[in-house]
Amino acid sequence: GNSVTQMEGPVTLSEEAFLTINCTYTATGYPSLFWYVQYPGEGLQLLLKATKADDKGSNKGFEATYRKETTSFHLEKGSVQVSDSAVYFCALSESYGQNFVFGPGTRLSVLP
Amino acid sequence: DTGVSQNPRHKITKRGQNVTFRCDPISEHNRLYWYRQTLGQGPEFLTYFQNEAQLEKSRLLSDRFSAERPKGSFSTLEIQRTEQGDSAMYLCASSLGTGREQYFGPGTRLTVT
Repeated sequence: GNSVTQMEGPVTLSEEAFLTINCTYTATGYPSLFWYVQYPGEGLQLLLKATKADDKGSNKGFEATYRKETTSFHLEKGSVQVSDSAVYFCALSESYGQNFVFGPGTRLSVLP
Repeated sequence: DTGVSQNPRHKITKRGQNVTFRCDPISEHNRLYWYRQTLGQGPEFLTYFQNEAQLEKSRLLSDRFSAERPKGSFSTLEIQRTEQGDSAMYLCASSLGTGREQYFGPGTRLTVT
């Protein structure tokens, strides 16, 4: 079956540091890939998405590129802020709009 | 557009009791999803509706769980004879059909004592 693997957290960085959160997936077809973010006390919010190979999703300074050859969708940000502290979930959907398969989440803490 | 809402936000119940949660999706969204999230894990899919039709159910959805969306608007998720293992966050999401992203509600946290 489909699955998503993320790097284990927590990840602790200083403000303005470079962020990478690794995500790899297993899927039988050609899924769409997503990053969702969950801020403390809030619901999941879509951060960015990519629907086909080599697509780059980007939002709020975050980027991720759909790499079919390595089945990866790593999340990056060049300079993190304290306000980026949250839990980040990588997810896939075999058919865009069908149910998601989520990774376990990676907690990010950014220190001032 | 006020987003997806869920009620109650928190529910504490004793083992063996029945509980019901409600989800109100974004008004024009025809698809509605239920997920369960336990501590330190990502959400796990339970079931989804297109309008009032329940189209898919996960193996996680045992016979004690039932979901409805009677008029294609709000949905309810009922758990009968709750067990301690049912303690989790129950998330609802909605989308505007195939090809659109899902919008999540804040969740209902269930604690079974």
